[in-house]
Amino acid sequence: AQTVTQSQPEMSVQEAETVTLSCTYDTSENNYYLFWYKQPPSRQMILVIRQEAYKQQNATENRFSVNFQKAAKSFSLKISDSQLGDTAMYFCAFMKYGGSQGNLIFGKGTKLSVKP
Amino acid sequence: DTAVSQTPKYLVTQMGNDKSIKCEQNLGHDTMYWYKQDSKKFLKIMFSYNNKELIINETVPNRFSPKSPDKAHLNLHINSLELGDSAVYFCASSRQGYEQYFGPGTRLTVT
Repeated sequence: AQTVTQSQPEMSVQEAETVTLSCTYDTSENNYYLFWYKQPPSRQMILVIRQEAYKQQNATENRFSVNFQKAAKSFSLKISDSQLGDTAMYFCAFMKYGGSQGNLIFGKGTKLSVKP
Repeated sequence: DTAVSQTPKYLVTQMGNDKSIKCEQNLGHDTMYWYKQDSKKFLKIMFSYNNKELIINETVPNRFSPKSPDKAHLNLHINSLELGDSAVYFCASSRQGYEQYFGPGTRLTVT
């Protein structure tokens, strides 16, 4: 069975600074996807970024980028130029590639506070 | 032009009642899901469903049942509600094997 671990329950960062959220996972699969989802106080789950395991290049979406280390089973999220609107819970998630069961397996989340 | 919608957003009910939460997606996706988020914010899959198969997480009590009238809808029906069912329930959809898009969630409170 796959597991996802986020070791930082809470983090804070000053506005405009950079912060990195950690995520490790355990799987015997070779093909899979990894995601970061954001859940602001509004409760909505928002996809931030995705990474295919077969791609060596790290995914980037504007101020958000990942450091994907497949051998180490590590998938950290870097937020540059943090903004107040980045305040949210961040969830790392794993999904097996292919098949009909595309269930997401989530970590327990990291609560990020961006301070003015 | 909401992608994944759920109704109601809030639901307060008494123990023992039966309730349903509706979910609709207009993304043309072929797979839909229900997740439960507990009071500690932990998200766990309950069901995944496409037009071929229903996959149930074995830890889900059989008081919970998904019902899909068509590909765009996957409703969640709960019988004999218990205090421990209080949580936020999220519907999601995807093309099979791709990233999932979530609805706004339904906060269920059982008193």
